[in-house]
Amino acid sequence: QVQLVESGGDVVQPGRSLRLSCAASGFSFSTHAMHWVRQAPGKGLEWVAVISYKGNNEYFADSVKGRFTISRDNSKNTLYLQMNSLRAEDTAIYYCAKDRVNFGIGEFDCWGQGILVTVAS
Amino acid sequence: AIQMTQSPSSLSASVGDRVTITCRASQDITSDLGWYQQKPGRAPKLLIYSASNLQSGVPSRFSGSGSGTDFSLTISGLQPEDSATYYCLQDCNYPYTFGQGTKLEIK
Repeated sequence: QVQLVESGGDVVQPGRSLRLSCAASGFSFSTHAMHWVRQAPGKGLEWVAVISYKGNNEYFADSVKGRFTISRDNSKNTLYLQMNSLRAEDTAIYYCAKDRVNFGIGEFDCWGQGILVTVAS
Repeated sequence: AIQMTQSPSSLSASVGDRVTITCRASQDITSDLGWYQQKPGRAPKLLIYSASNLQSGVPSRFSGSGSGTDFSLTISGLQPEDSATYYCLQDCNYPYTFGQGTKLEIK
C-alpha cells in the first residue's frame, strides 16, 4: 500500500534553513508528480509546491517562491523540500502528497502523516 | 492566483440529513476541482476528483457536481463519521488554491 513518511521537522530560528524529506513506498514513485502542502496551526490547507515526475518542472506558491526549493531522487524514492530564510509564518505541519495521475499533474490522492516545522526565536 | 470561495464556513446537521457545500472559483477552472475531508489530527483524504468523480473506496453518499466556476459537494444520508472539515482544491492553474474549509458538525 502507498506510504509517505515525512521527516526533518524541527524548531528553527527565523532566517535559518531546514530540509524536509518524504520517503515513498508502495507505488511507482518515478511516474508520479509530488506535492508539498502545509497547514498552519488551527488554519486551513495551503498548497506549497509541486515537482513533475521527472523532476524537470517545479511550481511554487507565491508565499514561498524564491525561498523554498523542491527536488526528488527517483533512485531513492524520496522527495525533498529545502526551506531557506524561514519566517514565523512558515510554522505549519508540512505534508507530502502523491499526485493521483501517472505522468501528469492533478489532485493528490495520498498524503503523508505530516511533520511539524516551528519557526521561532 | 485563482480564489476559491467556499461556503458555508460551518454547518450542523443530523444523522441521515443531506448537506451541500459549495465552492466558487474566481475564474473558469473547467472541471479541475477536488474535494477533501480532514478529521482532527489527521491528513486530508481525497473524496472527489475532477469535480464529480468518486475516489476509490469513498462511500457513495458523497457526490460532487459543477463545472466552470461553481461546484458543490453533497453528502446524502449523513453518518456520524462524516464529522470533519471539508476543503475544495482547484488544480487548474498554478498556484493551486484551497477553499477556506467547511467544518461539519453532526448533531
